[in-house]
Amino acid sequence: DTGVSQNPRHKITKRGQNVTFRCDPISEHNRLYWYRQTLGQGPEFLTYFQNEAQLEKSRLLSDRFSAERPKGSFSTLEIQRTEQGDSAMYLCASSPERTVSDTQYFGPGTRLTVL
Amino acid sequence: DAKTTQPTSMDCAEGRAANLPCNHSTISGNEYVYWYRQIHSQGPQYIIHGLKNNETNEMASLIITEDRKSSTLILPHATLRDTAVYYCIVRVSGSARQLTFGSGTQLTVLP
Repeated sequence: DTGVSQNPRHKITKRGQNVTFRCDPISEHNRLYWYRQTLGQGPEFLTYFQNEAQLEKSRLLSDRFSAERPKGSFSTLEIQRTEQGDSAMYLCASSPERTVSDTQYFGPGTRLTVL
Repeated sequence: DAKTTQPTSMDCAEGRAANLPCNHSTISGNEYVYWYRQIHSQGPQYIIHGLKNNETNEMASLIITEDRKSSTLILPHATLRDTAVYYCIVRVSGSARQLTFGSGTQLTVLP
């Protein structure tokens, strides 16, 4: 399967701990997006990379959140000092750069539960 | 990006066509209409998009009104696996911008 992959699929942590999620986009997709989705809501944008450059960050991305895409391939999203309000599904999407449609393809998500 | 309005929920009998409406009365001339769906506990799945002409692919058809203020996603022969939340999104294509999801329509296909 050459779709977007995310690991881990589920993460349970205690409040105050740090967690890191990984996203592997579709090969040769230059653009990579992170979204967060809480129960009953649609996904909300967090941040966007074009190759290794982080070009846009949402106001939702507090100082405790950091995302990287060091070689323009996979990306990591780290949450420091987790809070119960961070419990959500974290979704990654990728898209190719040079297309008219810029269709984003999503991974299965990482479900975070903060106890 | 223009705001969209969708019904909260809809039911459809298995094997029948499912017609999901979306209003986007403030759409701009360079904004496309995208449809995604999200099956429970999975990531959103791209379905189809269009600018002003009707579009069809292996999953669905998209009908956009002439004034582009509304559209309808048609699943011609709904199956139980089509039960999902369907999101209508309007955005400028090719601009590398994020998708802005609303609440979507919960489609339930009934046996």
